[in-house]
Amino acid sequence: DAKTTQPNSMESNEEEPVHLPCNHSTISGTDYIHWYRQLPSQGPEYVIHGLTSNVNNRMASLAIAEDRKSSTLILHRATLRDAAVYYCILRDNAGNTPLVFGKGTRLSVIA
Amino acid sequence: AAGVIQSPRHLIKEKRETATLKCYPIPRHDTVYWYQQGPGQDPQFLISFYEKMQSDKGSIPDRFSAQQFSDYHSELNMSSLELGDSALYFCASSTWPWGLEKLFFGSGTQLSVL
Repeated sequence: DAKTTQPNSMESNEEEPVHLPCNHSTISGTDYIHWYRQLPSQGPEYVIHGLTSNVNNRMASLAIAEDRKSSTLILHRATLRDAAVYYCILRDNAGNTPLVFGKGTRLSVIA
Repeated sequence: AAGVIQSPRHLIKEKRETATLKCYPIPRHDTVYWYQQGPGQDPQFLISFYEKMQSDKGSIPDRFSAQQFSDYHSELNMSSLELGDSALYFCASSTWPWGLEKLFFGSGTQLSVL
């Protein structure tokens, strides 16, 4: 299985941008890069996903390196409600495959 | 919008008892996934179903079984419960085959085995 590596924890000040890195040097050509987050006492929540090009949605932006061996999730203005564990997950584009969670990054947001 | 519904929210059982967890996916979602999350752990994939057939199997113990019914809801049956089965159990649903769809997770069932 393709693996990802993320920092165990990161800290951000409220209303500042946050860049969450993810390394996936063994990514295959058919792997999509997914980001999910899990707020305290809640189920995981989809954030964003992409294949090659950078992606934006209302929650975040995803910047993917040209060689696809790393990516960065960008929260443009962190709020206290963004404090969560963020998971970077590779998922084959065959679809219907389960998400395999690794060790995510615990983001703390300081007021 | 309708979300994934899990019941019960909390369940307390004794060792060696059985438990049944239920999951009601988002309407028109045909795929259901089950995950187990122990205290301080990351979610671990157990099993998934697509169109009432098992599609993938993860680290599900032999004491556990699951199925998906004709209305697409799913049940996770757990027998001979052990203390180590105490965890948060999440169900997620998605739809196929419209591309690489995202998973929608329920709020989970907290199982405590005493």
